[in-house]
Amino acid sequence: EVQLVETGGGLVQPGNSLKLSCATSGFTFSTAWMNWIRQTPGKRLEWLAQIEDKSNNYFISYLESVKGRFTISRDDSKSSVYLQMNNLKEEDTAIYYCTRLRRGYFDYWGQGVMVTVSS
Amino acid sequence: DVVMTQTPVSLSVSLGGQVSISCRSSQSLVHNNGNTYLSWYLQKPGQSPQLLIYKVSNRFSGISDRFSGSGSGTDFTLKISRVEPDDLGVYYCGQGTQYPYTFGAGTKLELK
Repeated sequence: EVQLVETGGGLVQPGNSLKLSCATSGFTFSTAWMNWIRQTPGKRLEWLAQIEDKSNNYFISYLESVKGRFTISRDDSKSSVYLQMNNLKEEDTAIYYCTRLRRGYFDYWGQGVMVTVSS
Repeated sequence: DVVMTQTPVSLSVSLGGQVSISCRSSQSLVHNNGNTYLSWYLQKPGQSPQLLIYKVSNRFSGISDRFSGSGSGTDFTLKISRVEPDDLGVYYCGQGTQYPYTFGAGTKLELK
């Protein structure tokens, strides 16, 4: 059974940082292209970042509006992907999902983790 | 960025009925490799989105044949036949052809 479990969410003040983790199982993580997507309070889905696999030199892509603030990384030995979020803003308040991209579509999603940015 | 426009915003249906949801992209979703990376997702209440259809018309593993996708270029449609209670929720289209990947705003399917 495929599982993606996000952790690390919570309430944080504007300007602070947070690191999300996503532990996976049930598929070959080392060859997977992993992504973070968030869902805003208005229910809009927004793609944030992608990290490719070793064969693609762990190439990384970001949504322009989070580039420089968010950093995606992975640890193949732990089948985990991470999202470091710095200088958080109130508009970063959302549910954050870890997903696997397979040939242009997101086939597996985690249950999501809530991040609230508020003073 | 590719803008994905879904219509309608909401839809009321009777159990056993049929519905269609439209998704239009601001640019062609045909990739350089010839594939069209348009997918459909369903988010049931309190759950994360789940993949229904990928590459326009391919049903994901375990998805009922009551769900069908069609279209090309910039115009796509999801049809749901013989609607069941478990089909209720919000449907999203998404494109994986071009960075950044983008999604429609969603169509809420409710019972009449």
